[in-house]
Amino acid sequence: DTAVSQTPKYLVTQMGNDKSIKCEQNLGHDTMYWYKQDSKKFLKIMFSYNNKELIINETVPNRFSPKSPDKAHLNLHINSLELGDSAVYFCASSRQGAQTQYFGPGTRLLVL
Amino acid sequence: AQTVTQSQPEMSVQEAETVTLSCTYDTSENNYYLFWYKQPPSRQMILVIRQEAYKQQNATENRFSVNFQKAAKSFSLKISDSQLGDTAMYFCAFMGRDNNDMRFGAGTRLTVKP
Repeated sequence: DTAVSQTPKYLVTQMGNDKSIKCEQNLGHDTMYWYKQDSKKFLKIMFSYNNKELIINETVPNRFSPKSPDKAHLNLHINSLELGDSAVYFCASSRQGAQTQYFGPGTRLLVL
Repeated sequence: AQTVTQSQPEMSVQEAETVTLSCTYDTSENNYYLFWYKQPPSRQMILVIRQEAYKQQNATENRFSVNFQKAAKSFSLKISDSQLGDTAMYFCAFMGRDNNDMRFGAGTRLTVKP
């Protein structure tokens, strides 16, 4: 059974396009996250949502917008894609509080 | 802001031997959590081990154990009886007690050689 799933796993697109990455968790967690892993493998948190409310928003361009329709889903919308957005994006989830985070398989985004 | 430092970009070990990966962190908090995650070539982030700062006893998970030195702000990972499947990037991570903001180190690429 998949705990945290992301779609798509790979995404190749042109500069200037708008794209979305979907994330779903079936662990019953109430906090979800988006991370970006750059080409040097550095992982950095982008957003954190708890019970559908944004609680962490790091310095991320406003072209990136998370949307949480319910506790089990946190989607990432990216407008006007740029070359520098190429990276692997990970979704994660945890129970509320400083709890262990469980990661999805990642989405490799390549902007041409 | 908390920072996590992994000073070994790459390491290698012979199969069946023991290897230790280093991690140091900087924080003014007294209660927090530390993690080691493994990222094999499949890209999946897998939790290896977790340590609560208020616990003096070092966490262990089968062949994986940590050496947690709170005063020195050090959190090293020891892998015993290394297996080929242990080949991966290993990330050390810090999380404060009252938030979900997890900070990662730059990672150590471990290669287990047959």
